[in-house]
Amino acid sequence: EPEVTQTPSHQVTQMGQEVILRCVPISNHLYFYWYRQILGQKVEFLVSFYNNEISEKSEIFDDQFSVERPDGSNFTLKIRSTKLEDSAMYFCATKDRGQSPLHFGNGTRLTVT
Amino acid sequence: EDQVTQSPEALRLQEGESSSLNCSYTVSGLRGLFWYRQDPGKGPEFLFTLYSAGEEKEKERLKATLTKKESFLHITAPKPEDSATYLCAVPYGGSQGNLIFGKGTKLSVKP
Repeated sequence: EPEVTQTPSHQVTQMGQEVILRCVPISNHLYFYWYRQILGQKVEFLVSFYNNEISEKSEIFDDQFSVERPDGSNFTLKIRSTKLEDSAMYFCATKDRGQSPLHFGNGTRLTVT
Repeated sequence: EDQVTQSPEALRLQEGESSSLNCSYTVSGLRGLFWYRQDPGKGPEFLFTLYSAGEEKEKERLKATLTKKESFLHITAPKPEDSATYLCAVPYGGSQGNLIFGKGTKLSVKP
């Protein structure tokens, strides 16, 4: 069964550094999302992306965050200057059309020290 | 404010002991309710979508039902491999993919 692939599985970075999290969506999917889950807390929506632009973003997704689909296959989340509170699991999710369910990757665990 | 509340937070069952998990929601204009299963260190795995009150979906030992205010995930004769955290979520905003998740119910099934 096709799956969403995320790399790396674990990223450790120092506060203030930039990180890029990568996702390879399921091949025929058109809608892309990033979610995060701080340890012990809810899964939270960050941003949705369709037709090469952001559709919607949450309050969490401030100017430190950006997304792009640089080469038509990868979908990336960049955090420009990481903070301790950015430590979380970051999940990429994709779907093929409006009413279909989201398929999640297994996440990148980001640890900011 | 749109909200999703799940109960109980944790549930311990003996193998074969059936039970139900609850998800109550307050959203204006429900556009679907989703159930996911999440194993430790993994991403949520899709189980069911329900769209209207009275709808039911089944998969192996799981059955999801929906009313106007809540959804239940019934687990019949669970096995240890059903141990996981079960999440429910509803869409908000402009896209059906922008989901509000509940905190989940952590299910442990002992042999």
